[in-house]
Amino acid sequence: EIVLTQSPATLSLSPGERATLSCRASQSVSNYLAWYQQKPGQAPRLLIFDASYRATGIPARFSGSGSGTDFTLTISSVEPEDFAVYYCQQRSKFLTFGGGTKVEIK
Amino acid sequence: QVQLVQSGAEVKKPGASVKVSCKASGYTFTNYHMHWVRQAPGQGPEWLGIINPSGDVTTYAQKFQGRITVTTDTSTSTVYMELSSLTSEDTAFYYCARDIVSNRMPLNYLDRWGQGTLVTVSS
Repeated sequence: EIVLTQSPATLSLSPGERATLSCRASQSVSNYLAWYQQKPGQAPRLLIFDASYRATGIPARFSGSGSGTDFTLTISSVEPEDFAVYYCQQRSKFLTFGGGTKVEIK
Repeated sequence: QVQLVQSGAEVKKPGASVKVSCKASGYTFTNYHMHWVRQAPGQGPEWLGIINPSGDVTTYAQKFQGRITVTTDTSTSTVYMELSSLTSEDTAFYYCARDIVSNRMPLNYLDRWGQGTLVTVSS
């Protein structure tokens, strides 16, 4: 099983700051990686797929990069509605998810 | 608009089975694969399995092989997930989620999700 490790566990930011979230895979997943946002009481929402492509309707402040084993989700300027938990997911071998990074208000 | 509406919360005793439904609307049901994912409180999501649009091909996560069954009823655009031999470790929210592409081969990214069904296993 491919294990995804996300860091940091918690990121404390003020609105307007830049957010950088990391996801590391236990083996290469090529570019087969997605990012999801989840707010309390809601299902996850797809943000990015194939490492760098924004899903339909996702604002341009969200961007993804990386390949192989190291990936990054960047929020260029955090908006109040962006405070949530973010998960990465690989599809190289079945599907697995990371443990999440919580982006909280500083 | 695309909607996936799941059945209500369930409370089961250890050893029992649970069957969760997911009714789709707002798109051509037979064009998309459907996944099942669960999420225990405070944990990351965990993928359970996938079924093809016509309902005749399933793939399950190895961890659940032998105790999970996913089926479809194309006449009602509904997908079902049954999990047997429940233990307390199966307590979680269970989600159906549609694959991102309309294709014979799924892309295995999940772009539309149901609202989730809480399954609680307790004696």
